[in-house]
Amino acid sequence: QVQLQQSGAELVRPGTSVKVSCKASGYAFTNYLIEWVKQRPGQGLEWIGVINPGSGGTNYNEKFKGKATLTADKSSSTAYMQLSSLTSDDSAVYFCARSTTTCFDVWGAGTTVTVSS
Amino acid sequence: DIVMTQSHKFMSTSVGDRVSITCKASQDVSTAVAWYQQKPGQSPKLLIYSASYRYTGVPDRFTGSGSGTDFTFTISSVQAEDLAVYYCQQHYSTPTFGSGTKLEIK
Repeated sequence: QVQLQQSGAELVRPGTSVKVSCKASGYAFTNYLIEWVKQRPGQGLEWIGVINPGSGGTNYNEKFKGKATLTADKSSSTAYMQLSSLTSDDSAVYFCARSTTTCFDVWGAGTTVTVSS
Repeated sequence: DIVMTQSHKFMSTSVGDRVSITCKASQDVSTAVAWYQQKPGQSPKLLIYSASYRYTGVPDRFTGSGSGTDFTFTISSVQAEDLAVYYCQQHYSTPTFGSGTKLEIK
């Protein structure tokens, strides 16, 4: 079945970077986009950006330009999101989701990133 | 950015009741709206896309309607397992989500 498997929880120091992975299975990786969404504790959903795994093309929420970098490896059907210069505001759950032109139809379980010294 | 406004942060209902959640877009988004359900500790799940199309495997008690700027998500007969937060999302332009409506079961 279609699945997105995300990497495990991360505890990271302020000022450092972290890379979250999202491994796709059960479908043709390059036929769909991969979106990334942030959710702070008790808060709503915030769109970070999207990558086209086939072309490598990306589009970012202006708010996350310079903070998030999206990449994809076709050989392993894995998408990545790197977050840089981490602060406490970056502590959140990060979801990847497969998308079509109409919706985000399959979501990963989420990766919790905690930024703390 | 297009702002999606869910005016009710909380809604309380009973098992068997009909409940509707509304979402208003700050500009015309045609029918480019999806609805998601997020249960505690889980990732969001797609229920409705293109305003009114039910996703594969979604029970028919869940329906969506609307176009332009006003959208409604309805559960025709609430079940206990429908306790969750419901989000609308527009994909007419750069995706944005509503702030969510938490459905509480009395």
